[in-house]
Amino acid sequence: KAGVTQTPRYLIKTRGQQVTLSCSPISGHRSVSWYQQTPGQGLQFLFEYFSETQRNKGNFPGRFSGRQFSNSRSEMNVSTLELGDSALYLCASRLRLNTGELFFGEGSRLTVL
Amino acid sequence: AQTVTQSQPEMSVQEAETVTLSCTYDTSESDYYLFWYKQPPSRQMILVIRQEAYKQQNATENRFSVNFQKAAKSFSLKISDSQLGDAAMYFCACQSGGGADGLTFGKGTHLIIQP
Repeated sequence: KAGVTQTPRYLIKTRGQQVTLSCSPISGHRSVSWYQQTPGQGLQFLFEYFSETQRNKGNFPGRFSGRQFSNSRSEMNVSTLELGDSALYLCASRLRLNTGELFFGEGSRLTVL
Repeated sequence: AQTVTQSQPEMSVQEAETVTLSCTYDTSESDYYLFWYKQPPSRQMILVIRQEAYKQQNATENRFSVNFQKAAKSFSLKISDSQLGDAAMYFCACQSGGGADGLTFGKGTHLIIQP
């Protein structure tokens, strides 16, 4: 069974631009979560989607948004990029809500110049 | 909301020895779950072990076991017979039973295995 796939793996953007990251969950997993990982703040929860609906959201500004499609694939978008948005963005999927084990992708490394 | 604290930024252990990674947490929830995740240099996080707060018995997975002290809000990870492949960042995490806020992670412990 294929794991969680994230694209692109690496990208460089400049301040003010916007970016879209993609995540394909493990087949059969309907929950997709996104996390931001930085050296300073560590791992922080962005949001979780289940059956195309956002279930919850972490403490991030409205520039961070996401969506989920009917095939469970998810995208996250960051608009008006700031230098502080440079991070590793991790996507995770799980079979069961709430208590299900999270399976992570390898992440998308975003650098904002 | 929960907080998770890992007080050891880095730990080093000789191959085949035993090492314990510390984690304390705080939560107002009565129903919650605790996890240890491993992130090798390739960056893909994988679950090492999980513990349901309502279970008194400490979870064990092969060479990995936890010491769950609910009253003290402590959740340490013991790795026995350390192997070179155990070298990684280890993250302790907590999630409420409802999962409303996702997982709350600690800052991580970098584990070095000395051959």
